[in-house]
Amino acid sequence: DVKVTQSSRYLVKRTGEKVFLECVQDMDHENMFWYRQDPGLGLRLIYFSYDVKMKEKGDIPEGYSVSREKKERFSLILESASTNQTSMYLCASSLPGLVVFFGEGSRLTVL
Amino acid sequence: SQELEQSPQSLIVQEGKNLTINCTSSKTLYGLYWYKQKYGEGLIFLMMLQKGGEEKSHEKITAKLDEKKQQSSLHITASQPSHAGIYLCGAVYSGAGSYQLTFGKGTKLSVIP
Repeated sequence: DVKVTQSSRYLVKRTGEKVFLECVQDMDHENMFWYRQDPGLGLRLIYFSYDVKMKEKGDIPEGYSVSREKKERFSLILESASTNQTSMYLCASSLPGLVVFFGEGSRLTVL
Repeated sequence: SQELEQSPQSLIVQEGKNLTINCTSSKTLYGLYWYKQKYGEGLIFLMMLQKGGEEKSHEKITAKLDEKKQQSSLHITASQPSHAGIYLCGAVYSGAGSYQLTFGKGTKLSVIP
């Protein structure tokens, strides 16, 4: 069965903290994505990766970085969390041209 | 302006009624995905359409992509409370590269028993 696993469903962090959101897929997918979802704004692409150690900026990369050292794992990093990064974060993966599968989401609150 | 428009933004229907959700693109689509999301959870894949005029069905849900590949509709027949949630369309605009999805803002569906 298809599986995209996000490490934390809920996180609460303080302003200025470094935050790691981890995502693992078990389907040997080349492509992996990080989105954030906000009311009224929908899903917006932060970063994506089409291969190990490769990364591309999405629509809203500011304030974020990513790491993909292994094919199955794609990490989203907030170097210094701010309150405007409070959001629902969704990881996804796919083979090129095929279905994009999503994880359960990580709801981050920055105080 | 938004490349992908969904309508309506929200919908309340009586159980057993049919309903349609629309997704309109300002550009020609390479592919169109439909997802369902329960509040606070991840996206569940429903269907993917790639060919103009294509239609797919799963249980009581049918999705169509128009011939010009700029509009898609999702139709639910005889709605049930289990159909409630947020329906999202996601567009792919290019066949090359990593297949990034651009999403509409979603349609919130409530089904009253």
